[in-house]
Amino acid sequence: EDQVTQSPEALRLQEGESSSLNCSYTVSGLRGLFWYRQDPGKGPEFLFTLYSAGEEKEKERLKATLTKKESFLHITAPKPEDSATYLCAVRDNAGKSTFGDGTTLTVKP
Amino acid sequence: EAGVAQSPRYKIIEKRQSVAFWCNPISGHATLYWYQQILGQGPKLLIQFQNNGVVDDSQLPKDRFSAERLKGVDSTLKIQPAKLEDSAVYLCASSYDGFYEQYFGPGTRLTVT
Repeated sequence: EDQVTQSPEALRLQEGESSSLNCSYTVSGLRGLFWYRQDPGKGPEFLFTLYSAGEEKEKERLKATLTKKESFLHITAPKPEDSATYLCAVRDNAGKSTFGDGTTLTVKP
Repeated sequence: EAGVAQSPRYKIIEKRQSVAFWCNPISGHATLYWYQQILGQGPKLLIQFQNNGVVDDSQLPKDRFSAERLKGVDSTLKIQPAKLEDSAVYLCASSYDGFYEQYFGPGTRLTVT
């Protein structure tokens, strides 16, 4: 059974204080690792897809990386508007998606 | 491009009552998903459709939950009868196919009293 574990559960940062979120996974044949952002009261919003170890993707202050066992979402110089829950999901060979429980990020001005 | 539409946005019912949710995916997306998201947890897949066929419903409580996707476009998810533990947000998502990123609707918040 595919499993996704995200850590920490919650992260509080000061504006400008860089950090990383972790997503550890076990999957029967990885066909993609996805990062989503979820704001309160809204559905998840797609950020990145990573397909193979060593791959990196960037968008504004966010950078996602992938190894064979985990993915990191690096946040550089965060702003209060980056506050949200960040979800990681894996897609296996059968096309089944499994989500982690997310990391709730709070950035204080 | 219009996003995934869901209705209603909120629903309050008593236990043992029935409820139905509706989803309209992004035009051209073959794959449609229904998720249950309990507060503080990630989305849990209930059912996945490819066009109008079921790909995965292994986590759907089939004694009370049912879903259909008419003509490979719109979909409805029904709960009958509802239990207290069904209180959650029900998310609909769609993707171009089963291996692309998913686009989510705003969700329906269900409260069972």
